[in-house]
Amino acid sequence: GAGVSQSPRYKVAKRGQDVALRCDPISGHVSLFWYQQALGQGPEFLTYFQNEAQLDKSGLPSDRFFAERPEGSVSTLKIQRTQQEDSAVYLCASSSGRFQETQYFGPGTRLLVL
Amino acid sequence: GDSVTQMEGPVTLSEEAFLTINCTYTATGYPSLFWYVQYPGEGLQLLLKATKADDKGSNKGFEATYRKETTSFHLEKGSVQVSDSAVYFCALTAGVGSYIPTFGRGTSLIVHP
Repeated sequence: GAGVSQSPRYKVAKRGQDVALRCDPISGHVSLFWYQQALGQGPEFLTYFQNEAQLDKSGLPSDRFFAERPEGSVSTLKIQRTQQEDSAVYLCASSSGRFQETQYFGPGTRLLVL
Repeated sequence: GDSVTQMEGPVTLSEEAFLTINCTYTATGYPSLFWYVQYPGEGLQLLLKATKADDKGSNKGFEATYRKETTSFHLEKGSVQVSDSAVYFCALTAGVGSYIPTFGRGTSLIVHP
């Protein structure tokens, strides 16, 4: 079956521009996670959804970052007024249960802010 | 806070060589431990996991044993293949009900024919 998909795969933005990154989780998966992965680092947690509810946004680095999952399936991570330090790979993962530990990751969106 | 330390890469091996990638952790309580693999151009995939001390996770010829006394979860494989070339991430979650993994920095493995 289809895995987690993300779009776009690559995004180049000018500093100050707003960007929107999309995640399509595995159908029926309750939990959805966003991570930020800087070059040469492991993924770092940004936010967590259970269905449409954003239960944890403790990892969002600033109020320029906003995520939503309005119908409990597709999610969008929005970054306003992008800065160079926002350049990273943004990973989305989904899992089938509320506290199910096995997360299935998408291929990521590589964001470069110039 | 919780943390994971992995050996620096890249690790470069010839096909059929023995692989060890070291991973140690710092955590309170009883974490669950994981190894993820990331092949070029793809997302992370769970390779194996262990949820309590002395458990051994295994998959695709890879193994790792949860060692509480040394706070380690080293990844091993007896005979690597070119297709094992990837980046390997060690990770932990804080325990039952925890859903946020803490990842190490990743170790790149390059296997030559």
